[in-house]
Parts: sequence; C-alpha cells; structure tokens
Amino acid sequence: DAKTTQPTSMDCAEGRAANLPCNHSTISGNEYVYWYRQIHSQGPQYIIHGLKNNETNEMASLIITEDRKSSTLILPHATLRDTAVYYCIVRVNYGGATNKLIFGTGTLLAVQP
Amino acid sequence: GAVVSQHPSWVICKSGTSVKIECRSLDFQATTMFWYRQFPKQSLMLMATSNEGSKATYEQGVEKDKFLINHASLTLSTLTVTSAHPEDSSFYICSARVTATNYGYTFGSGTRLTVV
Repeated sequence: DAKTTQPTSMDCAEGRAANLPCNHSTISGNEYVYWYRQIHSQGPQYIIHGLKNNETNEMASLIITEDRKSSTLILPHATLRDTAVYYCIVRVNYGGATNKLIFGTGTLLAVQP
Repeated sequence: GAVVSQHPSWVICKSGTSVKIECRSLDFQATTMFWYRQFPKQSLMLMATSNEGSKATYEQGVEKDKFLINHASLTLSTLTVTSAHPEDSSFYICSARVTATNYGYTFGSGTRLTVV
C-alpha cells in the first residue's frame, strides 16, 4: 500500500494561502490522492481528490507533480475555521471490491489571526 | 446529499457493559461501511469493513468478538462494544462508500465513548 508523508504541523496567517505538502513516492498508477480534514472532535470532511491532473473546487486546489510522487493542497484564502488536521490519503484497492481509506498522521494546520 | 448519521454523539457507560453505536445512510444506500477508532491526538485507525448482508472484515489486531459489527440493511450498520473497559474509551467514527458521488466516501460525526 502506498504510504504518505506529511509535516506534523504548519502555521498560516489568516487571509493568506495555505500550502500543505504530501509525499507519496510509492503511489501506483491507478491510485488516487485524496485530501480530507478533521476539525476537532468531528468526523473527517472531504476536500478534494485527483489522479494525475491538477484539480480545483470551491474549497481548494490540488497540485500533483508530473511523476505523481508528491502533491500540494492549496487553500487560497485561509480563515480561522480552516484550522484542522489535514490528511493526505492514497486510496488502496483490495481485489477491486472494497476500497479502504487508510489515514496517516496528517498535518495540523493552525491559522493565525 | 450523501449524509451519514451517527448516534449517539457521546456515551458514558460502566465497565463491563455493552454499548451500541449506529450509523445510518440518510439519502443513499451504503453497501460498504467502515468503522474507525481514534485515540486522543492520534490519527484514525481502521477497525473493520462491513458489507451489507455479510460478515465484517476486521483489520489485524482488532478483536471481532469484542467489536461486533452488523450491517443487516443497506442503510444501517452498527458497532457494539461488548464488555467495555476503560481502555476502550475512544472516538469511534463510521464511514460509507458513496458510489454515486464524485468523492466516494462520507463520514459520520463520530461517537465519543467513555467507559468508567
């Protein structure tokens, strides 16, 4: 299973862009990169996912390197409510029937006023 | 759309008793649900995968006789912590695959279990 590596924590000033890196050097060709976040004592919230192309939605942008060994989640204008643990996950596939999300340690993003 | 409702949000029980946690898919059918456990300041740990109408698949090291999972319908999965002990105190979260959406997975709001 492909593993991910993320910094333990990051700070970001309110209103500035938050760039959260993730390494997934052992990712295989058919594995997607998912990003979720977890605000304290809540269930994880989906942010964005991608395979090889850069993706953008109303919450964030996902930049995946050409070799797919790393990616960056960009929150364009961070607010205090974006303070959370951000998880970068590579989706595993067992026998094609069940895809599990295995969480790593994540990055605690603290948005500072 | 694609909401998973998890109840209760918190529960306190006495050591030795059993506790049931419910996870319902409100507006979709969930053939596959996942159960996670999270200790303070730690990441989510996958406990088991449940498929409607069949036995759950447990991750290595998770006691299937202690954590009973039932997924008898396409909208309901339950996790029962049997003979709970203080070390079972944790945050339990369910998740469901949503094949009809772009992102594929949605999570419940979690259940804080405290065993005293």
